[in-house]
Amino acid sequence: AQSVTQLGSHVSVSEGALVLLRCNYSSSVPPYLFWYVQYPNQGLQLLLKYTTGATLVKGINGFEAEFKKSETSFHLTKPSAHMSDAAEYFCAVSLSGSARQLTFGSGTQLTVLP
Amino acid sequence: DGGITQSPKYLFRKEGQNVTLSCEQNLNHDAMYWYRQDPGQGLRLIYYSQIVNDFQKGDIAEGYSVSREKKESFPLTVTSAQKNPTAFYLCASSIDMRGAETQYFGPGTRLLVL
Repeated sequence: AQSVTQLGSHVSVSEGALVLLRCNYSSSVPPYLFWYVQYPNQGLQLLLKYTTGATLVKGINGFEAEFKKSETSFHLTKPSAHMSDAAEYFCAVSLSGSARQLTFGSGTQLTVLP
Repeated sequence: DGGITQSPKYLFRKEGQNVTLSCEQNLNHDAMYWYRQDPGQGLRLIYYSQIVNDFQKGDIAEGYSVSREKKESFPLTVTSAQKNPTAFYLCASSIDMRGAETQYFGPGTRLLVL
């Protein structure tokens, strides 16, 4: 079985500051890793995903994440926060060779201060 | 435009009443999913369907039922057996159920109990 831990249910940053949202996973086999964003009262939108290959993954809206197997982490970063980045962010993991199992973290609410 | 539609946006349920949430996709995806989202928690899987006329229970299926008679449609019924139905319900689909495939989400239905 796999699990996902997102450290920090709420993160606040100033506009223009670095955004860092943390995600750690546990799995017994190589994982596939995803970051989704959710704006209020809306569905989830994929930001980026790691499947195989390059461990630094670039996504939409200037976000990127790095898969670090030794640290079992997949932290999400953005160099400069924008007011429009305020939303809830979910990290999720699924396993290679496994159907259906997309397991979500509990989410991190990002607030961007002017 | 291809995508996933959910209706209604808001739904009110009376005690002892069954209600049905609609989910339609025109992405030609084989796999479809229903998730429940509660505040401060990640998404939890209710049911999933890998292909037409087939569906499986997820982690929290008690008090819910589904059908998959058409590829594009995957309605969810919240039965009177579900004692705490107030939540945000999200439908998703993917090309198939391989772990690397992205799940695409609808805009959600918020269910409230009168």
